[in-house]
Amino acid sequence: DAKTTQPNSMESNEEEPVHLPCNHSTISGTDYIHWYRQLPSQGPEYVIHGLTSNVNNRMASLAIAEDRKSSTLILHRATLRDAAVYYCGADYGGSQGNLIFGKGTKLSVKP
Amino acid sequence: SAVISQKPSRDICQRGTSLTIQCQVDSQVTMMFWYRQQPGQSLTLIATANQGSEATYESGFVIDKFPISRPNLTFSTLTVSNMSPEDSSIYLCSAKAGEYEQYFGPGTRLTVT
Repeated sequence: DAKTTQPNSMESNEEEPVHLPCNHSTISGTDYIHWYRQLPSQGPEYVIHGLTSNVNNRMASLAIAEDRKSSTLILHRATLRDAAVYYCGADYGGSQGNLIFGKGTKLSVKP
Repeated sequence: SAVISQKPSRDICQRGTSLTIQCQVDSQVTMMFWYRQQPGQSLTLIATANQGSEATYESGFVIDKFPISRPNLTFSTLTVSNMSPEDSSIYLCSAKAGEYEQYFGPGTRLTVT
């Protein structure tokens, strides 16, 4: 069974908010949830991470469900430059901080 | 933050040969990792490169096939040995510079013919 599941693709209109969901039902209480995004022909880029509380940074917000089995990455106003594949991941108890990623959601942004 | 470079950026190799990929970080980092990303797929962790000791491999990856070195806190290499077409992939190096964030290199695109 996949540890982390995400929708394959989503579409958004420019300037509108985007909510990208992720399910991580087997996560433990101490596993951080991480989000990265990958533009074509580039390595992944860190977006945000969190444990229990909702988190905000300059790029996005992360809303974590109370039971921690799911989370949502929120882009408040999508721009064309936000079109990318967004990966949700967690370290699933790994002691060294390595990440197990989902298959990613390809976000398309329409002008 | 950390800036990561990889060499080569891409290569085309013959079946049965080996390729060594280099990863250089612009600052000392505690942890470095190697991932594989097959075309259109997600990232799969190959191993954690440990400084001064043997790498820690994930299930399905073995040292004989993917030997890793990490001689210091800024550099690591991954060798893909005895290559077959199934090894065609993008290989990514990453480093954990802060407490949680990982920084990824641009990747090495390997094609095995």
